[in-house]
Amino acid sequence: NAGVTQTPKFQVLKTGQSMTLQCAQDMNHNSMYWYRQDPGMGLRLIYYSASEGTTDKGEVPNGYNVSRLNKREFSLRLESAAPSQTSVYFCASSQGGDGYTFGSGTRLTVV
Amino acid sequence: GEDVEQSLFLSVREGDSSVINCTYTDSSSTYLYWYKQEPGAGLQLLTYIFSNMDMKQDQRLTVLLNKKDKHLSLRIADTQTGDSAIYFCAERGGNTGGFKTIFGAGTRLFVKA
Repeated sequence: NAGVTQTPKFQVLKTGQSMTLQCAQDMNHNSMYWYRQDPGMGLRLIYYSASEGTTDKGEVPNGYNVSRLNKREFSLRLESAAPSQTSVYFCASSQGGDGYTFGSGTRLTVV
Repeated sequence: GEDVEQSLFLSVREGDSSVINCTYTDSSSTYLYWYKQEPGAGLQLLTYIFSNMDMKQDQRLTVLLNKKDKHLSLRIADTQTGDSAIYFCAERGGNTGGFKTIFGAGTRLFVKA
């Protein structure tokens, strides 16, 4: 019963470096999401995928790209990391209105 | 856009009841949720309520919904130190595309022994 698995758990990048955050779910959920969490700001939606083959921008998409590789996997890419992207990133999945299942997060620091 | 607001902090004594409040703006909300986040972990769904319900009880948790005032509350009975966490209110509704969820900033609950 893995649920939503995110890798890596921690990452330090230098400004300008690129990286991809991986997310996989084993619950056969249609929808997947990427959020960032910053102190005092709650969760902000970066990108989402309502179903396999579709992706859409959320509230804060600038500086990020996503790929819905298949029904299980939804990756988030930072092409040129900036200090403002230092945050905790959460992947989530859902099916219908039953609420989200979240991964344990990736703590990213950009120096 | 749609918004969800919560107070940032709540402190209670062990054994007392905790009440965490939330207001939202989306009049077409269909589901309203409470999530719990413990330090270093992701959010965990605690409970949720359909917008056509007024109340839902689940063991120590009671959710009250006042749809007219767009107010949601979570009551935790007999609060324990293990309940110390951040609690997020969230809503999903027609105005957000039907499957996106809007989260509040979270209420940090401190439980004093």
